[in-house]
Amino acid sequence: SQQGEEDPQALSIQEGENATMNCSYKTSINNLQWYRQNSGRGLVHLILIRSNEREKHSGRLRVTLDTSKKSSSLLITASRAADTASYFCATDRFGNEKLTFGTGTRLTIIP
Amino acid sequence: EAGVVQSPRYKIIEKKQPVAFWCNPISGHNTLYWYRQNLGQGPELLIRYENEEAVDDSQLPKDRFSAERLKGVDSTLKIQPAELGDSAVYLCASSPSGWGAGHEQYFGPGTRLTVT
Repeated sequence: SQQGEEDPQALSIQEGENATMNCSYKTSINNLQWYRQNSGRGLVHLILIRSNEREKHSGRLRVTLDTSKKSSSLLITASRAADTASYFCATDRFGNEKLTFGTGTRLTIIP
Repeated sequence: EAGVVQSPRYKIIEKKQPVAFWCNPISGHNTLYWYRQNLGQGPELLIRYENEEAVDDSQLPKDRFSAERLKGVDSTLKIQPAELGDSAVYLCASSPSGWGAGHEQYFGPGTRLTVT
């Protein structure tokens, strides 16, 4: 079963704009990760945020985590055509390395 | 460093036929995962190995699916017999084992299975 749900399911923006995706999950977590999946390719890890962290940055990526609301957001700034992909959040629980993925947001960057 | 290798990349079979997928994880990664990804969905874990031991196979449909990782390195996932609903992408992933090693997983390109 899917733990998380991403919102929106699909997003189209102009190149150069910022893209924001949200993830909501159901149970208490240890870590939350974001992965990207390009068409026809495997998943690539983007960033990991621990349950005791509220915000994390990596290059053009900014992730926030609100454990009280059981939600996370991924912000991609200054989007590029190469950012076109599906983005998934994935969570794990204390004492269990099993990752549970959300349903994904399909992001399309329009040149 | 070589990534996770999977083969074949694509497989088309008729229902009731057997099929096998192979995965070679990143060197030194003791934890290996098999996932199934249905169209438009996120991956769902089928089985997780720590070395050669299957530590979580609760989501593996054991009536038709089997997996092995005999020497704790590469792994094979088998379906016998395949059903139409098994059409999906089968992903293999690996990670360093042990608590505190981080939970980032490294994924292979997947095998796209079509059952006709």
